[in-house]
Amino acid sequence: QKEVEQNSGPLSVPEGAIASLNCTYSDRVSQSFFWYRQYSGKSPELIMSIYSNGDKEDGRFTAQLNKASQYVSLLIRDSQPSDSATYLCAVNTSGGSYIPTFGRGTSLIVHP
Amino acid sequence: ETGVTQTPRHLVMGMTNKKSLKCEQHLGHNAMYWYKQSAKKPLELMFVYSLEERVENNSVPSRFSPECPNSSHLFLHLHTLQPEDSALYLCASSQVRQGAIYGYTFGSGTRLTVV
Repeated sequence: QKEVEQNSGPLSVPEGAIASLNCTYSDRVSQSFFWYRQYSGKSPELIMSIYSNGDKEDGRFTAQLNKASQYVSLLIRDSQPSDSATYLCAVNTSGGSYIPTFGRGTSLIVHP
Repeated sequence: ETGVTQTPRHLVMGMTNKKSLKCEQHLGHNAMYWYKQSAKKPLELMFVYSLEERVENNSVPSRFSPECPNSSHLFLHLHTLQPEDSALYLCASSQVRQGAIYGYTFGSGTRLTVV
């Protein structure tokens, strides 16, 4: 069974710090990886996608993928209180399935 | 209208009622999904419509019935629900191509309360 694991948190960081969110997955042939942000009472919003090993940067967000170790992480630089949300990791496996497996999400709190 | 639109935003229904949730996407995507999100649980896939195929999670009770009349519209028909069905119901769409997987665009969700 494909599994995607995230620490539920909450992860608490001070404003201006780097928040590091981690996700591990069980299926070695996974190929597509996504991070969604979900504010309380709202729906998830896609913020990052990554498909190959290494880092991908988009503004204050950096996704890091290490397929050998089967983890994907999301770094948020210069964290702001508005970044406080739940971050969902989603992983797609090759082999015909276009339906991702979601983790339970990590709650991030950025305090002033 | 842009993105994925869900209606209603909130719904309170009795266990004997019949209601429907509606979803419309304006992105030209070719796949649409229903998810259930309960507190402290991961997103639970309920149904998928892609390229006129239907995929369903076999654990979804028959009191939930999907309908997809075309690639832009998706419905979830509800009847004789139970209080444990109270949750946030999310519609999503994505583009599916051979060998490529893209992320979802979610609608704003319907907060369902069964009384």
